[in-house]
Amino acid sequence: DTGVSQNPRHKITKRGQNVTFRCDPISEHNRLYWYRQTLGQGPEFLTYFQNEAQLEKSRLLSDRFSAERPKGSFSTLEIQRTEQGDSAMYLCASSLVGLDGYTFGSGTRLAVV
Amino acid sequence: QKEVEQDPGPLSVPEGAIVSLNCTYSNSAFQYFMWYRQYSRKGPELLMYTYSSGNKEDGRFTAQVDKSSKYISLFIRDSQPSDSATYLCATQRGMDSSYKLIFGSGTRLLVRP
Repeated sequence: DTGVSQNPRHKITKRGQNVTFRCDPISEHNRLYWYRQTLGQGPEFLTYFQNEAQLEKSRLLSDRFSAERPKGSFSTLEIQRTEQGDSAMYLCASSLVGLDGYTFGSGTRLAVV
Repeated sequence: QKEVEQDPGPLSVPEGAIVSLNCTYSNSAFQYFMWYRQYSRKGPELLMYTYSSGNKEDGRFTAQVDKSSKYISLFIRDSQPSDSATYLCATQRGMDSSYKLIFGSGTRLLVRP
């Protein structure tokens, strides 16, 4: 499978717990993006990496959120002290440098109870 | 006011109908325009990608951009039940550093057999 892979597909967690999601981009893509999508809304930009460097972060990414992309390969998104408002679909996408659009993964659906 | 506005629908049409999906945007700096299709519980999939004003055709799909009125359209000819999905328009400022996409909220389309 040469697409963008995200794990886990679903995560249910109790409020206050920490969660970590993983994204494996298309291997030759050097740009990696995280988006969040809530019900009935379009995806909203969270952050992006070019290779291992995190170059932009949205104001949506509070101090409880951290993203890494060690060695410019896979990426992780961690949410600390989860809140009910964090419940959403977290989407990862990757692209080559250029303007041909992204390839999205199937997302990780988070429910905070 | 959102930067990209899109009617959420749902839009219900009979099989074989021509479907028209539309978005408006507020920032004249947007230069690149995309349409994504999103099936339930899946990530968005890029359908069409256009630059500036004009039309672009790909099979049954035609994307149209009118920069003077800040209006984006997607037409689907001979619609099929398999076209039932949420359609997201997205835009991008251009050759900036992040290639961040700004999405509309999506229009849910149902094609009835």
